[in-house]
Amino acid sequence: GAGVSQTPSNKVTEKGKYVELRCDPISGHTALYWYRQSLGQGPEFLIYFQGTGAADDSGLPNDRFFAVRPEGSVSTLKIQRTERGDSAVYLCASSQLAADTQYFGPGTRLTVL
Amino acid sequence: KQEVTQIPAALSVPEGENLVLNCSFTDSAIYNLQWFRQDPGKGLTSLLLIQSSQREQTSGRLNASLDKSSGRSTLYIAASQPGDSATYLCAVYGGGFKTIFGAGTRLFVKA
Repeated sequence: GAGVSQTPSNKVTEKGKYVELRCDPISGHTALYWYRQSLGQGPEFLIYFQGTGAADDSGLPNDRFFAVRPEGSVSTLKIQRTERGDSAVYLCASSQLAADTQYFGPGTRLTVL
Repeated sequence: KQEVTQIPAALSVPEGENLVLNCSFTDSAIYNLQWFRQDPGKGLTSLLLIQSSQREQTSGRLNASLDKSSGRSTLYIAASQPGDSATYLCAVYGGGFKTIFGAGTRLFVKA
C-alpha cells in the first residue's frame, strides 16, 4: 500500500464501552508497533509485533488492552471497559524489519466520555 | 530504564536562521536513533535514522549527529523556512524492541 492507514480517524465512546482500532501497515512490513500519544507528549510505546506474534507487549497499561495481528498484516488494538483516561491519539507504525525506519499512520483520536 | 529528553521544549526563530535541536538519552545501549517531524493533528514523518555505529546522517538541509557514549544527538536545520514549523521528536530504539520518544521540540519559524 501507499502508506500506513488507520481506521477510524476519530472514535467517541462512552465510559465502559469496548472499542477496536484498526491498523493497516505498509505491504510487506513484518514489524508493527502501536503507540499512544497524549497532548504535548511524545508517543508512548504499547506493543510490538514481529509477524503474527507480539514480541514485546510490555507497554500495554493493563489487561483491558489487547492487540492482535492474526495474519501478519492488519492489526487491531482492542480496549475493554474504556475509561476517560484512555482518551488519546493511538498511533500505529510499521517497518520492514525490526530496527528499520518506522512509518506512521495518521492515528485514531479516541475520546471516552 | 531509558529516558529521552529534548531541549528546548519550544523554539521560535526568524526565517533563514540555522538552528540546533537537542536530544539526550540515559542508556547508551541503543541500536539506532530516529528523528521525526509531526505536524499538528497528523502522524509522524521520519526525517533521519542514525544507526548506533554511525556518527551522523544528512538529508537536504537536515543533519543529525549521534554521540552514543555521551547519550546525545543533535538535529541541525540549515536556513530555516516557515514550512519547517512543526514538532520535532527524537526516538531511541534499544533492547526489547521498544522505541522510546522524547516529548519533542515545538519549532516556529517566522516569515
